Amino acid sequence: DAGVIQSPRHEVTEMGQEVTLRCKPISGHDYLFWYRQTMMRGLELLIYFNNNVPIDDSGMPEDRFSAKMPNASFSTLKIQPSEPRDSAVYFCASSLREEDTGELFFGEGSRLTVL
Amino acid sequence: AQKITQTQPGMFVQEKEAVTLDCTYDTSDPSYGLFWYKQPSSGEMIFLIYQGSYDQQNATEGRYSLNFQKARKSANLVISASQLGDSAMYFCATDRGSTLGRLYFGRGTQLTVWP
Repeated sequence: DAGVIQSPRHEVTEMGQEVTLRCKPISGHDYLFWYRQTMMRGLELLIYFNNNVPIDDSGMPEDRFSAKMPNASFSTLKIQPSEPRDSAVYFCASSLREEDTGELFFGEGSRLTVL
Repeated sequence: AQKITQTQPGMFVQEKEAVTLDCTYDTSDPSYGLFWYKQPSSGEMIFLIYQGSYDQQNATEGRYSLNFQKARKSANLVISASQLGDSAMYFCATDRGSTLGRLYFGRGTQLTVWP
């Protein structure tokens, strides 16, 4: 089975530009998570969805960040306008509630650099 | 909120030796899970091992074992017979037990295995 697929793997953009990160979760998984990793703050949860519905977006830094999940196989994280402090690795992860361990399956991450 | 503490920013171990990576957690939830993930230099997050708070026995997965001491709120990862490929960042994480996959991560321990 294919794992969690993220695109782009790397993105370099200029301050003020819109950035869209994409994620395809593992088929059949009902939870989807967006995490951000920085040296300063480590790994932090931004938002998560259950059955395509946003459950908790309290980790979203500010209104410049938005996330959608229009269907079970696709999610986007958008930053508009982007700022240099948004530079980080953004991970998408999915899980299946019925699994005993609740293991998170991570994508390979999208490394964002905002100049 | 959950809190995970990893007090060792870096650890060094010689190949074929065992190493213990420390993790303590702070939670008032009666039911929770504990996880360890590995992040090699390539950046992906790799699930290693899981321990449920009600599990009587320490979890083991191949060369990985979790030394779970509930009263001390510690969940140390033991890697036996270290290999050069074990060099990576290791993250301890916990959940609330009710939302699978919503993990709170520690800051990580950078493990270096030398020949």
